[in-house]
Amino acid sequence: EVQLVESGGGLVQPGRSMKLSCAASGFTFNNYDMAWVCQAPKKGLEWVATISYDGSSTYYRDSVKGRFTISRDNAKSTLYLQMDSLRSEDTATYYCARRGGADYWGQGVMVTVSS
Amino acid sequence: DIQMTQSPSVLSASVGDRVTLNCKASQNINKYLNWYQQKLGEAPKLLIYNTNNLQTGIPSRFSGSGSGTDFTLTISSLQPEDFATYFCFQHNSWPLTFGSGTKLEIK
Repeated sequence: EVQLVESGGGLVQPGRSMKLSCAASGFTFNNYDMAWVCQAPKKGLEWVATISYDGSSTYYRDSVKGRFTISRDNAKSTLYLQMDSLRSEDTATYYCARRGGADYWGQGVMVTVSS
Repeated sequence: DIQMTQSPSVLSASVGDRVTLNCKASQNINKYLNWYQQKLGEAPKLLIYNTNNLQTGIPSRFSGSGSGTDFTLTISSLQPEDFATYFCFQHNSWPLTFGSGTKLEIK
């Protein structure tokens, strides 16, 4: 069974950093691209970033370019999202998803950016 | 960026109804259109991938069609558990983009 479990969320002040993790199991992690998707409270879904199966390619939405970094450790079957220079508008639930086409999702982790 | 426009934003229907949800892309996205169902407090669940492929474990009352810029999700006979919000998602071009959703409500 495919499982994706996010961790690392919480309350953070504007301008500070936070790192999210997503532990994967139930599939061969290093065969799949992975993605982060976010959803602000009571809002729609927004794709954030994607990383290729081997980590060689990364893609970001414009609003996070230069502030967020997606990475992976295939030996640990874990996906990461390093979020720097956080803004109030980054407040959202962050989901990790398998594939660029997002076939399986984690349960999500809430990130609140507020002073 | 490719804009994904879903209609209607809210749809009221009854158990047993056949309903159609629409999604229009601002540019050609070929077949790379997925549909998700999201219930309150839960993660989205993939229903249909690449326009018309039913995800494993999803009931056959769900179906997808379309090509290019115009896509539809059809639920042939609504069940009580189908009342939720539905999102379309294009994964043809960067940045990947979602529609704003259709909320399916009980009439």
